[in-house]
Amino acid sequence: LAKTTQPISMDSYEGQEVNITCSHNNIATNDYITWYQQFPSQGPRFIIQGYKTKVTNEVASLFIPADRKSSTLSLPRVSLSDTAVYYCLVGINTDKLIFGTGTRLQVFP
Amino acid sequence: DTGVSQDPRHKITKRGQNVTFRCDPISEHNRLYWYRQTLGQGPEFLTYFQNEAQLEKSRLLSDRFSAERPKGSFSTLEIQRTEQGDSAMYLCASSPGLAGGLSEQFFGPGTRLTVL
Repeated sequence: LAKTTQPISMDSYEGQEVNITCSHNNIATNDYITWYQQFPSQGPRFIIQGYKTKVTNEVASLFIPADRKSSTLSLPRVSLSDTAVYYCLVGINTDKLIFGTGTRLQVFP
Repeated sequence: DTGVSQDPRHKITKRGQNVTFRCDPISEHNRLYWYRQTLGQGPEFLTYFQNEAQLEKSRLLSDRFSAERPKGSFSTLEIQRTEQGDSAMYLCASSPGLAGGLSEQFFGPGTRLTVL
């Protein structure tokens, strides 16, 4: 599975938009990009998945440029409850999820 | 609550003892996964089942570890002769196993193991 690189941590304030970028230079043609969120002492939770261009759901948007070597998770108007670790995963087979160390997002009031 | 459940939530044991964890997946999901997570790291894949068949095991799963899923329902993960390095959060997840393998995984709350 393609290796991913994310910032170790990010800080934001309530109400701001947060963009977390993930680099995946070796992404394969059939690979999908998936983001999970994890709160302390809980299991990860699926946020969004995409292949190309833009995907939007009720909690986030995922932007994928044409070369697919990176992707950006966008969280609109974050709140304190969005403080968590966010993982970017790349692969075709989601039977064996490969997590990196993720990005720790801290939202301040 | 119809989510993934795990039992116990916490387990403290002495080195050398055996421990067993249980996972109850979402009822209609045919795939079940086990992961291990240590502090500050992302979860690491251990093994997964399609119904009752164990299809893949990570090399992280030493011969002291064994997982079962009798009748394709709940699963157990047993660790024999525990070592301090086994201290971690053990996470279970399930998925409906859609075609193409792109279905999301639903995680349980985990079992935190501490080996003294």
